[in-house]
Amino acid sequence: DAGVTQSPTHLIKTRGQHVTLRCSPISGHKSVSWYQQVLGQGPQFIFQYYEKEERGRGNFPDRFSARQFPNYSSELNVNALLLGDSALYLCASSTRDGNYGYTFGSGTRLTVV
Amino acid sequence: GESVGLHLPTLSVQEGDNSIINCAYSNSASDYFIWYKQESGKGPQFIIDIRSNMDKRQGQRVTVLLNKTVKHLSLQIAATQPGDSAVYFCAEKDAGTALIFGKGTTLSVSS
Repeated sequence: DAGVTQSPTHLIKTRGQHVTLRCSPISGHKSVSWYQQVLGQGPQFIFQYYEKEERGRGNFPDRFSARQFPNYSSELNVNALLLGDSALYLCASSTRDGNYGYTFGSGTRLTVV
Repeated sequence: GESVGLHLPTLSVQEGDNSIINCAYSNSASDYFIWYKQESGKGPQFIIDIRSNMDKRQGQRVTVLLNKTVKHLSLQIAATQPGDSAVYFCAEKDAGTALIFGKGTTLSVSS
């Protein structure tokens, strides 16, 4: 069985640009969450989507947005990139009710220059 | 085996020792807890979870202990191997949607 897949694996962007990161959850999982992990720290919650609806949002600016598609895959969009947005962006897929069994993908390493 | 009473950022053990990694969580309303292992350049890997109606759960070579009275979680790794070297994070969740991660502990296993 495929786990959580994320693309791309690495990305370099310039300040002010926007970026779209993609995630496919484990088959049968209807919930996707996004986390940002800055080097040396634990992951921080950005969004959770369940059944295509936003279920929760962390303390991130409006430059960050996300959506979930009918096949339960998800996109994270970040506009007007700042140097401080450089991080590992992680997607987690969780069990059908969205509350347990969080499994992470390998992440997208975003570097903003 | 090596153990830590309070959170320490690093833990060094010898191969074959038992390791204990501790975590203090913040929210008394948290009812679900997960331990993750993260190797360099990779995403967190699920190790074991526990719900608040339990105080102990065992997996393969790992045991998680939950003490709700003092809001403390620990991960015990039996017969630690070099492949166990990684950063370990505990995470808590309440009725909300977010996993809240603790400070990681870097486990170094020497052979």
